[in-house]
Amino acid sequence: QQQVKQSPQSLIVQKGGISIINCAYENTAFDYFPWYQQFPGKGPALLIAIRPDVSEKKEGRFTISFNKSAKQFSLHIMDSQPGDSATYFCAASPPTGRRALTFGSGTRLQVQP
Amino acid sequence: DTAVSQTPKYLVTQMGNDKSIKCEQNLGHDTMYWYKQDSKKFLKIMFSYNNKELIINETVPNRFSPKSPDKAHLNLHINSLELGDSAVYFCASSPGTLNQPQHFGDGTRLSIL
Repeated sequence: QQQVKQSPQSLIVQKGGISIINCAYENTAFDYFPWYQQFPGKGPALLIAIRPDVSEKKEGRFTISFNKSAKQFSLHIMDSQPGDSATYFCAASPPTGRRALTFGSGTRLQVQP
Repeated sequence: DTAVSQTPKYLVTQMGNDKSIKCEQNLGHDTMYWYKQDSKKFLKIMFSYNNKELIINETVPNRFSPKSPDKAHLNLHINSLELGDSAVYFCASSPGTLNQPQHFGDGTRLSIL
């Protein structure tokens, strides 16, 4: 059972464009929604995270939009750069009990110069 | 200074062998995790320890046995390796069992011949 669905699987964006990656979750108990960035040969690294009490969080060029009623959240990368080319994972976890992250399937982003 | 370090980085071995992967974190975190990333880059939790106590044990074959000698170390021993065990295994740590950022190592790529 895939509790966090991520799309698209891959994305090609021109330099300076906006990259948008979407995730939908099923478990209404989730209350922590991070995005991780992974470069080849490296482990995932936390990029930005949000909790459901806010609808948007912005850090530099990265913004998470959160829609609790639709059980969806998305990552927007403004002014995308070739250095942003990586695989992006959304994730979610509940507040109690088992707190391991449930990851989406990943989006491979390629920013063309 | 590497925050979460795994050894070895690459592991190539024959089917049926027993192998171990070691993980150490120098962040002072209480919780450590093992994730498996398959060939399609899907990341899935395997185990989690909090202060040397097992708190998450996903549906993983009994051939996989985690060991936490202290809260800074979480090792993974795999018996009777099978072809399907080929994957990248990531160790991660977080400050506690609350929803806090998880820091990942760079992974161990296990290849079964």
